[in-house]
Amino acid sequence: GNSVTQMEGPVTLSEEAFLTINCTYTATGYPSPFWYVQYPGEGLQLLLKATKADDKGSNKGFEATYRKETTSFHLEKGSVQVSDSAVYFCALTLLSGYNKLIFGAGTRLAVHP
Amino acid sequence: GAVVSQHPSWVICKSGTSVKIECRSLDFQATTMFWYRQFPKQSLMLMATSNEGSKATYEQGVEKDKFLINHASLTLSTLTVTSAHPEDSSFYICSAWGTGRTNYGYTFGSGTRLTVV
Repeated sequence: GNSVTQMEGPVTLSEEAFLTINCTYTATGYPSPFWYVQYPGEGLQLLLKATKADDKGSNKGFEATYRKETTSFHLEKGSVQVSDSAVYFCALTLLSGYNKLIFGAGTRLAVHP
Repeated sequence: GAVVSQHPSWVICKSGTSVKIECRSLDFQATTMFWYRQFPKQSLMLMATSNEGSKATYEQGVEKDKFLINHASLTLSTLTVTSAHPEDSSFYICSAWGTGRTNYGYTFGSGTRLTVV
């Protein structure tokens, strides 16, 4: 079936450290990957997305490149801040339009000063 | 940008009562609404998908008579948890797919924390 696997957390980093959160998927058809972020007690916010192979999504210093050959969409940030502490969800949808999102389990990131 | 307003943000109710959660799209037409629940420190589990004016499609294992979804207009969808029990305590999040001047894609509400006592 279709699924998303992301690295288990929590990930604990010092401020200004480099961040990588791995995400791989199994899917049929033509998946489009997303990264969402959830701050404590809040809903999800779209962080970035990609629509076709080799696309790089970027936002707020975060980047992820959609690698079709490795079925991956790893999230990276060169220098994290305390305010980046949140839960990050990798997700994908299989078709453009109304199809549902399939979420990974989420990775909790804690950044310390 | 697209905004989905979800209310209430938290609610405490007695076992056996019903609770209604509303999601409104403020500046776009929400043609499809997804309802998720999230247990502590876990991922989002899709409960159901509803298209405006149609019956909701429920995921396997979700009781449609317990979780009533109404999507009567392009700007409002509601989830009613009927005869709530403590095991229904969870974080419920809606997500709207809509169109407007640009394709807004998925927009999430801020979530509702339901505690049944």
